[in-house]
Amino acid sequence: DQQVKQNSPSLSVQEGRISILNCDYTNSMFDYFLWYKKYPAEGPTFLISISSIKDKNEDGRFTVFLNKSAKHLSLHIVPSQPGDSAVYFCAASKTGNQFYFGTGTSLTVIP
Amino acid sequence: DAGVIQSPRHEVTEMGQEVTLRCKPISGHNSLFWYRQTMMRGLELLIYFNNNVPIDDSGMPEDRFSAKMPNASFSTLKIQPSEPRDSAVYFCASSLRRVPNYGYTFGSGTRLTVV
Repeated sequence: DQQVKQNSPSLSVQEGRISILNCDYTNSMFDYFLWYKKYPAEGPTFLISISSIKDKNEDGRFTVFLNKSAKHLSLHIVPSQPGDSAVYFCAASKTGNQFYFGTGTSLTVIP
Repeated sequence: DAGVIQSPRHEVTEMGQEVTLRCKPISGHNSLFWYRQTMMRGLELLIYFNNNVPIDDSGMPEDRFSAKMPNASFSTLKIQPSEPRDSAVYFCASSLRRVPNYGYTFGSGTRLTVV
């Protein structure tokens, strides 16, 4: 059973605009969340994380928002750049256990 | 550091054949993970090792799959016999701790095609 879900398989955004990628989880015990970015023919690379004690974490153009009551997190990329075109995975864990990954969202930033 | 190294990058095999995927984790990392990526299920954890000991193999699909970690610098994932539905990209990842704050470091993956 998929404990982490990314319901949008793909997303297209114009360069300079905001990209919003969404992720839902089912296990209320999850307390740590990550976003990974994956280019073709490469492994996923860590992008940004957030702990359940926070509701927002920002790193440059990337911001992750966590809504614990809705069991929902989102990744905002502002402004979007063509180099951001990749597959984005969200992942969640309960401290001390392994990460569960979503199915990924393929982002295309159109120049 | 060269990162997590996986071999081969691509493998094409016939149904029924044995397939062995290899992984060299980052030196000093004590946790190693095998994931499988499919369109339907995303990144699925197959098995993970901590200090070379298998901790959780509940994600291994069936008895045809087996994984070993004979030492801290090498792990294998074996499929015998292989079936077309095993076609996927298999990733190995390593970390210093089981749930590190920065996540895992992934290898580039092995794309397996079983025909």
